[in-house]
Amino acid sequence: RKEVEQDPGPFNVPEGATVAFNCTYSNSASQSFFWYRQDCRKEPKLLMSVYSSGNEDGRFTAQLNRASQYISLLIRDSKLSDSATYLCVVPRSLGFQKLVFGTGTRLLVSP
Amino acid sequence: GAVVSQHPSRVICKSGTSVKIECRSLDFQATTMFWYRQFPKKSLMLMATSNEGSKATYEQGVEKDKFLINHASLTLSTLTVTSAHPEDSSFYICSATGDLTEQYFGPGTRLTVT
Repeated sequence: RKEVEQDPGPFNVPEGATVAFNCTYSNSASQSFFWYRQDCRKEPKLLMSVYSSGNEDGRFTAQLNRASQYISLLIRDSKLSDSATYLCVVPRSLGFQKLVFGTGTRLLVSP
Repeated sequence: GAVVSQHPSRVICKSGTSVKIECRSLDFQATTMFWYRQFPKKSLMLMATSNEGSKATYEQGVEKDKFLINHASLTLSTLTVTSAHPEDSSFYICSATGDLTEQYFGPGTRLTVT
C-alpha cells in the first residue's frame, strides 16, 4: 500500500457545486495531516491542517477517519478559483517534518 | 506568512554541466530546509533534509554526490546538480522551517537539461 494515495481525477464540477476528495494513508501512527493546494507550475500552499477529527475553514472542511485511515476534503459552493490540484500530505512518524505527498487530485471548476 | 525565495526560477543547461539552485528564507531563520523534486503529473518527492552547519540527510535512492547540498547559514541552502543529464530535468522546490511546525515552500526552480 502506498504511504499516501489519492484519486488523481480530474473532478469536473460546475460553479456552486460541492465536491469531496478522499485520501488514504498507510501509517496508522500518523498524528497530523495536511491538505495543500498546488496551482500549475507553482509551489504547494498550505490549505488546512488536521490534527484531530476534523477542521473547518469557510467553504472547506477536512475530516479524519483514523479507523479507516483516510482523510477527506470537502469544498462547498465551488468557485472558478478553486481549480487546482489538491495534495494530501502526511508527515512520516519518525520525522515530523518529513512530509509525504500524495500525487494530488485535480479539480476543474467550470462556469 | 513567511517568505522563501528560490533562484533561478528557470534554468536551461547542457548535459554534463552543473547547476546551482539557491533557497533563501527572507524573514526568518531556517534551521531546517528541505529539497523536493517533482516530475510532471507526479507528487513531490523529498530528496534531502538540510540542517544549518551539518551534512544533509539524503532520502533513499538520491545520490548525494550528484545532488550536493550546502546549508551554510540560517537563511541560505543551495542545491547543486552536478553533471546534469536530461533525466534530471524536473521542478525542484525547497522548503524551510524555523520551529519545526509549518514548512514554507519556495516558488520552485524548473530545470531543463538539453
